[in-house]
Amino acid sequence: GAVVSQHPSRVICKSGTSVKIECRSLDFQATTMFWYRQFPKQSLMLMATSNEGSKATYEQGVEKDKFLINHASLTLSTLTVTSAHPEDSSFYICSAHPTEGLSYNEQFFGPGTRLTVL
Amino acid sequence: QQQVKQSPQSLIVQKGGISIINCAYENTAFDYFPWYQQFPGKGPALLIAIRPDVSEKKEGRFTISFNKSAKQFSLHIMDSQPGDSATYFCAATLYSSASKIIFGSGTRLSIRP
Repeated sequence: GAVVSQHPSRVICKSGTSVKIECRSLDFQATTMFWYRQFPKQSLMLMATSNEGSKATYEQGVEKDKFLINHASLTLSTLTVTSAHPEDSSFYICSAHPTEGLSYNEQFFGPGTRLTVL
Repeated sequence: QQQVKQSPQSLIVQKGGISIINCAYENTAFDYFPWYQQFPGKGPALLIAIRPDVSEKKEGRFTISFNKSAKQFSLHIMDSQPGDSATYFCAATLYSSASKIIFGSGTRLSIRP
């Protein structure tokens, strides 16, 4: 149990286009999901916290108009990178916290999405 | 105050040896300290976690040692195997709420056969 999927696993796009990445909790509901970005050989950096039915909370320095987050259901959060540029190329990872069944802060991570902007 | 410092950046250990990774935190509000294992091109997976009310937690070959007064904790991998070669991240967060996780900078572990 506790599986999180991401789609697509890899995406290559041209500079200036927008890309949508989906994060799904497959066998549990998640009121809260998190989006991270990881550059090569670096750590995971939190971009934003996504809560179902409300606006996402962005970390300092993350442009909310560039990285649009929508958490429309208890099993799906999406990250849209708008007008992508080569510097947005990175590994994007989501995590999900189960709404029920856990009394503590365990988060389950997705497999990541590799974005390459040409 | 939100930082988690991790060392070493990389580590090479012979098969069968002990791998040791160290971390330090600043914010005393943190009360949950998970360790994650990440293979190339994959998301991180929870390996083992500890709360500050205990000084040690062991699960199989993996042991966390925790020093609350020094605000330091470490991961020990006993009888290290080539399959343990991965990047390891220590982290800190709050136990009782869906809070953000602060990750250390990571340690790339290579186990030599």
